[in-house]
Amino acid sequence: AQSVTQLDSQVPVFEEAPVELRCNYSSSVSVYLFWYVQYPNQGLQLLLKYLSGSTLVKGINGFEAEFNKSQTSFHLRKPSVHISDTAEYFCAVSEVNTGNQFYFGTGTSLTVIP
Amino acid sequence: NAGVMQNPRHLVRRRGQEARLRCSPMKGHSHVYWYRQLPEEGLKFMVYLQKENIIDESGMPKERFSAEFPKEGPSILRIQQVVRGDSAAYFCASSPQGHTYEQYFGPGTRLTVT
Repeated sequence: AQSVTQLDSQVPVFEEAPVELRCNYSSSVSVYLFWYVQYPNQGLQLLLKYLSGSTLVKGINGFEAEFNKSQTSFHLRKPSVHISDTAEYFCAVSEVNTGNQFYFGTGTSLTVIP
Repeated sequence: NAGVMQNPRHLVRRRGQEARLRCSPMKGHSHVYWYRQLPEEGLKFMVYLQKENIIDESGMPKERFSAEFPKEGPSILRIQQVVRGDSAAYFCASSPQGHTYEQYFGPGTRLTVT
C-alpha cells in the first residue's frame, strides 16, 4: 500500500505571502499525484493533478505543484495567497497500473492571516 | 450535468441503530467509490463498486458495514448497529471508467452517532 506524508499539519501565512505545502509519498511504482482542497463542511475539490509529461503542473486558483521523482515529492505552491485560500489541503496518490483508489495524506490546514 | 449527489448531508443516529448513506453518481458514470474521513484525518478508501458488483472492498471493516450499487438507483453504504467510532464524514466518488484521475467527489454525508 502507498503511504502519503504531509509534513505540516498546520501552516499559517500572511495574506499576499507565498506558501508551500509539502507532500511526500512512498512508492516504487509509477503513480498519479493529486492535490485536493476542502473548505469547511464541504467535499473535495480537485486543485491539480499530475498524470505524465511536464513535472510542473498548474491548477486552479493560482496553485501549482512540481513532481520530483527522485525525492518522491509533490509540493504545492502559490506565490501570493488570499484570505479565501484558508482551507484544508490533501495530497493524494494512486498507482498507475492498479489505481482504482486514492491514498490520501492526513491534510494540511492552511490559515491565511489578514 | 449534475455532480455526484449524496444524501442525507447530515445524519444523526443513536448507538445500535442503522445508518444508510446514499450516493448518486454523475450521469454516465458506472463506477462508485466510498471513502471515510475520521476527525482530523485524511480520507481512507473503503470500497469500489460497479453496477451490481463489488470490485474491491479491501478497506471495508469486516463487520457491520456493507455496500451495494444496484442496476437501478443510487449506491448505498449501510452501517448496522452503529457505534460512536463510526462518527465520520463519508464521501462518495464516481468515475466513468474506473480510473482515479476521472473521479469526482460528492459533498459527503456527516454521520454523528450519539
